[in-house]
Amino acid sequence: LAKTTQPISMDSYEGQEVNITCSHNNIATNDYITWYQQFPSQGPRFIIQGYKTKVTNEVASLFIPADRKSSTLSLPRVSLSDTAVYYCLVSGGFKTIFGAGTRLFVKA
Amino acid sequence: KAGVTQTPRYLIKTRGQQVTLSCSPISGHRSVSWYQQTPGQGLQFLFEYFSETQRNKGNFPGRFSGRQFSNSRSEMNVSTLELGDSALYLCASSWQDRVGGYEQYFGPGTRLTVT
Repeated sequence: LAKTTQPISMDSYEGQEVNITCSHNNIATNDYITWYQQFPSQGPRFIIQGYKTKVTNEVASLFIPADRKSSTLSLPRVSLSDTAVYYCLVSGGFKTIFGAGTRLFVKA
Repeated sequence: KAGVTQTPRYLIKTRGQQVTLSCSPISGHRSVSWYQQTPGQGLQFLFEYFSETQRNKGNFPGRFSGRQFSNSRSEMNVSTLELGDSALYLCASSWQDRVGGYEQYFGPGTRLTVT
């Protein structure tokens, strides 16, 4: 299963757009790219999932280039409550591997 | 629709004991996965069950086992507990009727402390 690499941490300010890029060089043809958000002492929460190109929902956008070796999660106009750990992962074969995650800290 | 529930939420056990954790998936979900989360190792996949069958297993010793019942509820058991088993154990459910893309819904976890 493809290993993912993300920045360990990022800082931002309220109202800014945050882009978190994830590398997954060994992604397989059947793998999907999924992002989760986790707050302390809670289980991860699904944010968005995609296979290729661009996916958008009410909370985020996911950009995936044609080679699918990386992906970028875009959070528009973050707020203090978006402070959390964000996990990029690839899923395939009924098995999910989480990376170390990116700790996003949003400041006022 | 009720979310994923896990019981108990907190547990303290002694080394050498065994423990059983329970997970009730979202109604209609047939897949249940278990994860261990620790500060040092992050979120690690334990195993996944679908329709009472274990479909995939992570790299954990045989002391970690699980099962799924006909109503999709799942249990995981850890025997001969070690200090390093102290962790947050998370259960996630999904439809997962196809390989690859699926959305998992996580429960709040069971915080296990081994002394």
